[in-house]
Amino acid sequence: NAGVMQNPRHLVRRRGQEARLRCSPMKGHSHVYWYRQLPEEGLKFMVYLQKENIIDESGMPKERFSAEFPKEGPSILRIQQVVRGDSAAYFCASSPRQGADTGELFFGEGSRLTVL
Amino acid sequence: LAKTTQPISMDSYEGQEVNITCSHNNIATNDYITWYQQFPSQGPRFIIQGYKTKVTNEVASLFIPADRKSSTLSLPRVSLSDTAVYYCLVGLTDSWGKLQFGAGTQVVVTP
Repeated sequence: NAGVMQNPRHLVRRRGQEARLRCSPMKGHSHVYWYRQLPEEGLKFMVYLQKENIIDESGMPKERFSAEFPKEGPSILRIQQVVRGDSAAYFCASSPRQGADTGELFFGEGSRLTVL
Repeated sequence: LAKTTQPISMDSYEGQEVNITCSHNNIATNDYITWYQQFPSQGPRFIIQGYKTKVTNEVASLFIPADRKSSTLSLPRVSLSDTAVYYCLVGLTDSWGKLQFGAGTQVVVTP
């Protein structure tokens, strides 16, 4: 059973370009969470999605950031017109249901975005 | 959401026991306590979760006093590979994915 898969692992963009980060949850998991981690900081919640639904996007910046989790295919975090401050590691996590009994989230290896 | 406070860093030698205490004075009645481990350039990994008293698994033990205002993660006989950042999270089981990770505790194990 493959774990949470994120790609690309590393992405370099110039200011003003778009970044697309993909996350395939573990098999059987229908809940996906995106986090951002700045250097030397903890993870900050961005958005929680279920298939075809955004459940909670309270951690998402109001502009330039969007996320989706279509019926088919991976979840995508999209950052438009990137700025240097968007440089960070973006982690995706999945769970089989909201509040898995053990409280366990399964994280991917992360996608590291560098904006030049 | 309950705020947590934990030491910024801890140093240890191989074979020693490491105890990391997390303070969560405003923990709510239904909140659970969960610890994650993160290695450099990797995503966090679940270690252990508890509600009260003591929980033990193959990796660690979690001690929670009766007032639940703090908890201690105990790593027995650490090895070099236990060098990582350890995060304490407190919250409801139906909102795990929305919890904020703090800065965590950087544990460095040396020979």
